[in-house]
Amino acid sequence: GAVVSQHPSRVICKSGTSVKIECRSLDFQATTMFWYRQFPKKSLMLMATSNEGSKATYEQGVEKDKFLINHASLTLSTLTVTSAHPEDSSFYICSARRRGTLLYNEQFFGPGTRLTVL
Amino acid sequence: QQPVQSPQAVILREGEDAVINCSSSKALYSVHWYRQKHGEAPVFLMILLKGGEQKGHDKISASFNEKKQQSSLYLTASQLSYSGTYFCGTLLGGGSQGNLIFGKGTKLSVKP
Repeated sequence: GAVVSQHPSRVICKSGTSVKIECRSLDFQATTMFWYRQFPKKSLMLMATSNEGSKATYEQGVEKDKFLINHASLTLSTLTVTSAHPEDSSFYICSARRRGTLLYNEQFFGPGTRLTVL
Repeated sequence: QQPVQSPQAVILREGEDAVINCSSSKALYSVHWYRQKHGEAPVFLMILLKGGEQKGHDKISASFNEKKQQSSLYLTASQLSYSGTYFCGTLLGGGSQGNLIFGKGTKLSVKP
């Protein structure tokens, strides 16, 4: 169990357009979902944390108006990159914390979305 | 606050052993280990919660020394499939509801 899906897996867009990435926990309810960004050969950088029904908490240096996060339900969170620019090109990965595992705080990652902005 | 992983990279022959270390300057609540293959998302390996806890899965095991604020991942009789970048993620001593902070990763290459 504990499968997290992301859609799309790859997206190429023109500069100035907006891109929406979906993250779903398929077989469990997620109390919290996390959005990460990863540059080539680098570590995972946490962008924001979202809880169902409440506003996302952004990490320092991450623009809230540029990276819109909506956590609509216990199984779905979306990240919208608004007015994308080439410097936003990256690998975006979501993860979900499984409800009921307060002790262990298990997080399961989605397969990632490769965003390329031309 | 980012944990420090060592070594940064290691090259092994199939069947050899390796140890990857993860150290924190802060007290830890738990340590999480993941493996990521190129172009893919990280795959969960295991969590260590209590000081001194040890876990194992197949020929991959780990230990957590709470006092030393560090964890080690042991790969025994490595297989080609073990190749990838290993990340440790740490939760600070505040409890289980914090955010994981990941180290920079250790790239493991297993050659035939």
